[in-house]
Amino acid sequence: GENVEQHPSTLSVQEGDSAVIKCTYSDSASNYFPWYKQELGKGPQLIIDIRSNVGEKKDQRIAVTLNKTAKHFSLHITETQPEDSAVYFCAASIFSNFGNEKLTFGTGTRLTIIP
Amino acid sequence: AAGVIQSPRHLIKEKRETATLKCYPIPRHDTVYWYQQGPGQDPQFLISFYEKMQSDKGSIPDRFSAQQFSDYHSELNMSSLELGDSALYFCASSNTQARNIQYFGAGTRLSVL
Repeated sequence: GENVEQHPSTLSVQEGDSAVIKCTYSDSASNYFPWYKQELGKGPQLIIDIRSNVGEKKDQRIAVTLNKTAKHFSLHITETQPEDSAVYFCAASIFSNFGNEKLTFGTGTRLTIIP
Repeated sequence: AAGVIQSPRHLIKEKRETATLKCYPIPRHDTVYWYQQGPGQDPQFLISFYEKMQSDKGSIPDRFSAQQFSDYHSELNMSSLELGDSALYFCASSNTQARNIQYFGAGTRLSVL
């Protein structure tokens, strides 16, 4: 089955600086890679996703890059703000015309923004 | 916009008791997923249903069962509860005709004493 590794497990960044979180996956059939943000006591919230037919996607301060050959993808947050502090999970899945298979999550990164 | 609704939000049970968790997906979503998240861990897939039929199964104990009803809500039934079942249980739903993004509920925190 799919195995997703995520690094680092904790990350502290000065407010206004950038944060980068990296993930690798094992199953070359995976073609859908979402990133979720989880705040304390809440469910994971999708912040951005990328499909394997593109290499990069950006949404305001958040961007994701995908290297299918190397089987890794990264989350980039620029101009970090205190409200970005949370646990971030990457995930991998197989998407087909019949729907998504289960998400396999990375182990999470606890991001702390230092004011 | 409507979100995934889970009930109850918190549940306290004794060992060997049973528990039933409920999930109400976003309207017009046809797929429901259940995940278990232990303390400090990532969510682990348990089971999913597409159009009321089981579509995939993960590391779900035999003591657990789930189903999706005609109104698309789903229930996770857990019997002979063990201390190790204490976790957050999330339900997610998606629409296969609309990018199939999985949207998560706020979860049910189960504590087994």
